[in-house]
Amino acid sequence: DVKVTQSSRYLVKRTGEKVFLECVQDMDHENMFWYRQDPGLGLRLIYFSYDVKMKEKGDIPEGYSVSREKKERFSLILESASTNQTSMYLCASSLIPQGLARYNEQFFGPGTRLTVL
Amino acid sequence: GENVEQHPSTLSVQEGDSAVIKCTYSDSASNYFPWYKQELGKRPQLIIDIRSNVGEKKDQRIAVTLNKTAKHFSLHITETQPEDSAVYFCAASNPGGSYIPTFGRGTSLIVHP
Repeated sequence: DVKVTQSSRYLVKRTGEKVFLECVQDMDHENMFWYRQDPGLGLRLIYFSYDVKMKEKGDIPEGYSVSREKKERFSLILESASTNQTSMYLCASSLIPQGLARYNEQFFGPGTRLTVL
Repeated sequence: GENVEQHPSTLSVQEGDSAVIKCTYSDSASNYFPWYKQELGKRPQLIIDIRSNVGEKKDQRIAVTLNKTAKHFSLHITETQPEDSAVYFCAASNPGGSYIPTFGRGTSLIVHP
């Protein structure tokens, strides 16, 4: 079974703090993703990475940065947390598709519910 | 880029009824359409997917249909059970191109016993 784990299930931080969310996958997947999930807004992509040290902005990257120093680990960083970053954060991983022969199912972590006070 | 619209946002049914969730997409190059189920407090998990070379796919009580001409696809659940209660997300992607999936906003399905 693919396992995607996240460092915390619940996190409470203060406005202005620097916050690190960690994600680890054990299936040698090339792609890793960070999503934010808010009621009525679905899954919004913050950043993704297709290789070590590579990163691409998603739909809502403002206020976030990422780091991928090792293939299995993808970190989301909130440089200065704000109350509007209170949300559920989901990490995911997938293989890179190879033409039509391999489709890119995403495997999600359990999520981190972040509250910024 | 791709845009995926999902309806309804909430669906309430009685146990044993059928449920249908619909999605439309904008990019004609999209050819892979997965559906994810997220139970309360749990992670989203793939339950069924369809590729553009087929029009329908079934797996026990769930089925997905695809109309490429109209750019829409639907999830059908028959004989619903309380354990079907969850949030369902559709997605669209083009594995041969820009393969990052675009998700719909989700449908909260409630099955009343």
